[in-house]
Amino acid sequence: EAQVTQNPRYLITVTGKKLTVTCSQNMNHEYMSWYRQDPGLGLRQIYYSMNVEVTDKGDVPEGYKVSRKEKRNFPLILESPSPNQTSLYFCASSQAAFSTDTQYFGPGTRLTVL
Amino acid sequence: AQSVTQLGSHVSVSEGALVLLRCNYSSSVPPYLFWYVQYPNQGLQLLLKYTSAATLVKGINGFEAEFKKSETSFHLTKPSAHMSDAAEYFCAVSESDSWGKLQFGAGTQVVVTP
Repeated sequence: EAQVTQNPRYLITVTGKKLTVTCSQNMNHEYMSWYRQDPGLGLRQIYYSMNVEVTDKGDVPEGYKVSRKEKRNFPLILESPSPNQTSLYFCASSQAAFSTDTQYFGPGTRLTVL
Repeated sequence: AQSVTQLGSHVSVSEGALVLLRCNYSSSVPPYLFWYVQYPNQGLQLLLKYTSAATLVKGINGFEAEFKKSETSFHLTKPSAHMSDAAEYFCAVSESDSWGKLQFGAGTQVVVTP
């Protein structure tokens, strides 16, 4: 089954404790992206990757890091989480970076930073 | 810079009634437009998209949307609501030079009453 998976689905942590949210897709997609969803704000892009070893900032990259060492994986790293990073996070992928491409979303990771 | 406005953060419709969700965009050039649906505790799923072909776009689950350039709108409709349509709906836009980035509206929560 074609899908985007994220782990963990739920995470409660404390301020300053490094964490990684994994994202994996099995569709051989070139383009992957991370969004955060906050009430009343919709989804905002954090980082994106056009292909292996090619990443760039989205609209809200502060406090986040990403890497793309393999085509299928695109982990999101919070080196020193803070309470304002409490949010619902989605990973998405598409065949390429064309603006008409359909993006496929993972199930989401709900992060709480205390 | 493009932006997306969804009128109404919450919409309540009766089962069998028309569903109308409004989306307006601001962009210097006609963008590509998408509607996504998010069911509880799930990721986003594409309902339909406009990519500069036909202005009336049909999607899954009986939904359709019409691109109106003169009104900068892309409203989503369904003639007869089902209980299963209860979800949050997001309008999103992308531009040809946006490297796949989607700009989302704030979302509209749809409640369907018997």
